[in-house]
Amino acid sequence: AQKITQTQPGMFVQEKEAVTLDCTYDTSDPSYGLFWYKQPSSGEMIFLIYQGSYDQQNATEGRYSLNFQKARKSANLVISASQLGDSAMYFCAMSRSSGYSTLTFGKGTMLLVSP
Amino acid sequence: SAVISQKPSRDICQRGTSLTIQCQVDSQVTMMFWYRQQPGQSLTLIATANQGSEATYESGFVIDKFPISRPNLTFSTLTVSNMSPEDSSIYLCSVGTGRNEQFFGPGTRLTVL
Repeated sequence: AQKITQTQPGMFVQEKEAVTLDCTYDTSDPSYGLFWYKQPSSGEMIFLIYQGSYDQQNATEGRYSLNFQKARKSANLVISASQLGDSAMYFCAMSRSSGYSTLTFGKGTMLLVSP
Repeated sequence: SAVISQKPSRDICQRGTSLTIQCQVDSQVTMMFWYRQQPGQSLTLIATANQGSEATYESGFVIDKFPISRPNLTFSTLTVSNMSPEDSSIYLCSVGTGRNEQFFGPGTRLTVL
């Protein structure tokens, strides 16, 4: 069974600073995918970034980067130059290796960006 | 990416009634999924909606309570049957367009009184 752990219920950061949101995972599958989603108060789930278990380089998408440490089974999200609009709930998720794209989610981290 | 719409966006229902949620995608996709997000909680997969066959349900979810239809590659419905206040949640459909892509619809906020 797959498991995602997000140990930070809430994080605070000042505008323009960088912040790291932690995510650790557990799986016995050799092949898997790791995702980060942003959920603002409106409730929509916004896809941010993806990392495959066999990808050699850490994924980056604009201000988002994924610090993938396979041996430690961690996939932390780094947001650079935080903006007020980054305030939201952030979920880490893992896909199964069966060929389906079903996701197992962590409990989420609420990020608040202050001016 | 895929553009996904859901109807209704929100609803308030009486206990014992049923609500059908629609999910429409702007392109043909093989995999469609339904998730539930209870208040203050994370997302939990309800089922995988398979085109041309019955949905595949996760442990704890049954077809009688959450019947799903998938008549074609762009559309699916989820019905929440015989509702109780515990069914108050956000229901989200998502589509898998490939190994590293899964996009979500805007969600349906359901309140059961």
